[in-house]
Amino acid sequence: NAGVMQNPRHLVRRRGQEARLRCSPMKGHSHVYWYRQLPEEGLKFMVYLQKENIIDESGMPKERFSAEFPKEGPSILRIQQVVRGDSAAYFCASWSGSSYNEQFFGPGTRLTVL
Amino acid sequence: DAKTTQPNSMESNEEEPVHLPCNHSTISGTDYIHWYRQLPSQGPEYVIHGLTSNVNNRMASLAIAEDRKSSTLILHRATLRDAAVYYCILPSVAGGTSYGKLTFGQGTILTVHP
Repeated sequence: NAGVMQNPRHLVRRRGQEARLRCSPMKGHSHVYWYRQLPEEGLKFMVYLQKENIIDESGMPKERFSAEFPKEGPSILRIQQVVRGDSAAYFCASWSGSSYNEQFFGPGTRLTVL
Repeated sequence: DAKTTQPNSMESNEEEPVHLPCNHSTISGTDYIHWYRQLPSQGPEYVIHGLTSNVNNRMASLAIAEDRKSSTLILHRATLRDAAVYYCILPSVAGGTSYGKLTFGQGTILTVHP
């Protein structure tokens, strides 16, 4: 059973470009979370999705950021018109939905905005 | 979310046991206690979780106080690979059921000396 997959692992964008980060959860998991870790800072929750639905996006910046988790395919975190402050590591986590189970994190996508 | 308090840092020598404390005085009866760790340049990794009883797995042990207001993560024999930031987390609960969302504090930076 493959773990949580994220791609790309490293992404370089120039200011104003778009960044698309992909996350494939573990097989059978329908819950996905995105977290952001700014340089030298802790992990911050961004958004929680459950197949085709956004459950909680309280941690998402109001502009330029969006997330989706379609019925088929990976979850996508999209950042439009990137700025230097978006440079960070973005991690996704997948969960089965049971209190008895833990979350599994992917290796992260490290976004650098030039 | 129930708040947790951890020491900023701890040190240990290789092959010695390590006890990482966590206070969660506002914990509710349905809150699970989760521990994750983040090794340098990696995504968070699940360590252990419990509700009321002490728990053991291949990585660590979790000792939960009788009143559940504190817990201790025990690494029985620290190795250099255990050097990481350790997070004690009480996942969000909504409507009486686990919501899964993790709120990461500053965690405890564990340094292991050879």
